[in-house]
Amino acid sequence: ETGVTQTPRHLVMGMTNKKSLKCEQHLGHNAMYWYKQSAKKPLELMFVYSLEERVENNSVPSRFSPECPNSSHLFLHLHTLQPEDSALYLCASSQEWTEETQYFGPGTRLLVL
Amino acid sequence: DQQVKQNSPSLSVQEGRISILNCDYTNSMFDYFLWYKKYPAEGPTFLISISSIKDKNEDGRFTVFLNKSAKHLSLHIVPSQPGDSAVYFCAASGINFGNEKLTFGTGTRLTIIP
Repeated sequence: ETGVTQTPRHLVMGMTNKKSLKCEQHLGHNAMYWYKQSAKKPLELMFVYSLEERVENNSVPSRFSPECPNSSHLFLHLHTLQPEDSALYLCASSQEWTEETQYFGPGTRLLVL
Repeated sequence: DQQVKQNSPSLSVQEGRISILNCDYTNSMFDYFLWYKKYPAEGPTFLISISSIKDKNEDGRFTVFLNKSAKHLSLHIVPSQPGDSAVYFCAASGINFGNEKLTFGTGTRLTIIP
């Protein structure tokens, strides 16, 4: 497996559910990112991790909880989400977190009912 | 406030002709600009970038132009091919990426008509 992979690709959950999104990068990068892509809105940066430490958190609601156990894996834990959280969640990685060129995964399309 | 704007949500171009995608930005601290291409059900793919010390960068059929005084950049694709049909995102970052973040536009859907 190469590049950046994300699972699941699609997820439907109720507002009381707890689920997790997983991202894995096989590029040997040190930085990983979570983005949210809502319809007709710019791509929003949610979290940045560099060498497993969080370096950026853009005022994301606490119902989104990231976890980076090592530089190759990134999780986004979801609990008590709202319907407006339905979106495409993209994971990306870059060699260093100061590097602008990022490599994206295919995304997880999330629907909250 | 949207700092990176792509005012055309969609664009249709005949195969073989030139496609021009535009992007405007408001933050004068941005000094590095990128274009990403996104196919359905896939994540964005890096396409081409340009630093603010340049006004043009070319890579095969893709050329990005930067007009700093107008805070405007454009992506030219020539000749356009059916495989170029995708959503194109413009992105920008500042000198201190950690502070400025990578800011994306809303995207322009390009359709190449055979």
